[in-house]
Amino acid sequence: EPEVTQTPSHQVTQMGQEVILRCVPISNHLYFYWYRQILGQKVEFLVSFYNNEISEKSEIFDDQFSVERPDGSNFTLKIRSTKLEDSAMYFCASIAGEGTEAFFGQGTRLTVV
Amino acid sequence: RKEVEQDPGPFNVPEGATVAFNCTYSNSASQSFFWYRQDCRKEPKLLMSVYSSGNEDGRFTAQLNRASQYISLLIRDSKLSDSATYLCVVNRDDKIIFGKGTRLHILP
Repeated sequence: EPEVTQTPSHQVTQMGQEVILRCVPISNHLYFYWYRQILGQKVEFLVSFYNNEISEKSEIFDDQFSVERPDGSNFTLKIRSTKLEDSAMYFCASIAGEGTEAFFGQGTRLTVV
Repeated sequence: RKEVEQDPGPFNVPEGATVAFNCTYSNSASQSFFWYRQDCRKEPKLLMSVYSSGNEDGRFTAQLNRASQYISLLIRDSKLSDSATYLCVVNRDDKIIFGKGTRLHILP
């Protein structure tokens, strides 16, 4: 079964450092998403990406965040200068088309110390 | 009002019982509806899509009521392994909108 893969599974970083979270969506999918989930809280939307550009972003997705799809397979989330409150699980998701089910990666647990 | 609302629970239910969750959505332009299951520290996984005609998958039954803008999930003969958070997910265009999730604990 096709799957979304994310690396690393766990990242520990010092406050102020840059991190890049990587995702490989399902190959024929067209829409890509990043979500985050702080432990014990709800899944929060960060950004959606379609046709090589951001289609929507939330208030959380400020200037510290950026996304790229550099090579047609990887989809990355960069946090430029991490804060303690960025500690969370980050999930990548993709869908084949509007209205279809979303497939999620296993997540990257980001710990900022 | 949030676009997708669920009772956060927790629902504490004895093994073998039947449990039902509801979810309401506010935007009538919503197109597709899903129930996802999420285990602690894991990614959400699709449990089932929800259709207007209602659909069943083993012990699980999902229903959609477009007129009242709610969806439901019924779990029969609950098992210990059903303990998880159940997420109501609504798609509108390319947006995927999550409810906060309902926590279910099945008690032995």
